[in-house]
Amino acid sequence: QKEVEQNSGPLSVPEGAIASLNCTYSDRGSQSFFWYRQYSGKSPELIMSIYSNGDKEDGRFTAQLNKASQYVSLLIRDSQPSDSATYLCAVGGGGTSYGKLTFGQGTILTVHP
Amino acid sequence: EAGVAQSPRYKIIEKRQSVAFWCNPISGHATLYWYQQILGQGPKLLIQFQNNGVVDDSQLPKDRFSAERLKGVDSTLKIQPAKLEDSAVYLCASSLGGWEQFFGPGTRLTVL
Repeated sequence: QKEVEQNSGPLSVPEGAIASLNCTYSDRGSQSFFWYRQYSGKSPELIMSIYSNGDKEDGRFTAQLNKASQYVSLLIRDSQPSDSATYLCAVGGGGTSYGKLTFGQGTILTVHP
Repeated sequence: EAGVAQSPRYKIIEKRQSVAFWCNPISGHATLYWYQQILGQGPKLLIQFQNNGVVDDSQLPKDRFSAERLKGVDSTLKIQPAKLEDSAVYLCASSLGGWEQFFGPGTRLTVL
């Protein structure tokens, strides 16, 4: 069973703080890693993708990937109330699973003023 | 560029009835996905199409769910007969052929 596990929430941070969201995956053959943001009642929106070990920065968002530890994280700097949402980690498989994403259960983030 | 379109946005039916959902992907996107998202969970892939062929339907409950993608563009997902546990949001997503998937607004199904 290929699984994606996210840190249990909900996560609450004050405005301006760094929010740290974590995800582990079981399939060592996984090739691609994504973070989606989902506001309540809305569909998932792609915010970050990462394919190789290390960090990838986009504005206030930084994705970190460590394939040896099977770990991917998302850091949100200078958190804003508008960042309050559920964050979904998605992992793309290799081989016959190419193009198929497995999602974690999501972590609810609340940024309070 | 228009996004993924889905209809209807909401549907309420009684158990044992049938229901159908429609999806039109982003123009040019060859790969189309249907997901089921139960409240409090991440999306679960039901079926993946590449053009009008099925790539993966291993998690589709084939005794009651069916899907088709005629002419390699829009797609329909059908449930017949519906059960209470089918209450969920049904999401359609498309991709150009790489990894990045873009989701439609979803159809919220309530089975009474």
